Amino acid sequence: DAEITQSPRHKITETGRQVTLACHQTWNHNNMFWYRQDLGHGLRLIHYSYGVQDTNKGEVSDGYSVSRSNTEDLPLTLESAASSQTSVYFCASSSSGRTYEQYFGPGTRLTVT
Amino acid sequence: DQQVKQNSPSLSVQEGRISILNCDYTNSMFDYFLWYKKYPAEGPTFLISISSIKDKNEDGRFTVFLNKSAKHLSLHIVPSQPGDSAVYFCAASGVLQGAQKLVFGQGTRLTINP
Repeated sequence: DAEITQSPRHKITETGRQVTLACHQTWNHNNMFWYRQDLGHGLRLIHYSYGVQDTNKGEVSDGYSVSRSNTEDLPLTLESAASSQTSVYFCASSSSGRTYEQYFGPGTRLTVT
Repeated sequence: DQQVKQNSPSLSVQEGRISILNCDYTNSMFDYFLWYKKYPAEGPTFLISISSIKDKNEDGRFTVFLNKSAKHLSLHIVPSQPGDSAVYFCAASGVLQGAQKLVFGQGTRLTINP
């Protein structure tokens, strides 16, 4: 069965460290997205990609970067982790024809101390 | 600027009764609306959607109503079951800053009591 996975599921890191969260999907979807979930804010878009070598900034992209070298993966990098980036991070993917219907991974809980 | 709002952080309903979750939006350019369901420690899962050209979509116990003039949509669950206890996110899709995006509400935690 096709799926979308994230790793690690939990991560504790220190302020200033570089952190990379992995996202891998086997749906063969062109579109991939990264969101963060915070209490009172719902899910907010960090970065998104509509295909290989395509990356775009979302509404809360400061301090984050992504790269898309193949269809299956969209890793999210925190260049220098800050306490404000403590959150739950979700990766999602969707097909080109139904961009709005997104399939989500299980999430990564990141704590920055 | 919260374009999609769920003003009720939580809702408690008795098993077997109707659950009604509400959502308001501000951008008239949204063309598709969705509800996602989220259990603890899991990612959101797609539940039901509605196109902006319709006013109702039904799927089993779940019905979504869209009132475009009021910029309001609601999710009805009838009858409510214990397994429906979860956080429900309303989302709206549209072209924003030149790209098709989903905008989510803050979520409503639904608790179904036996």
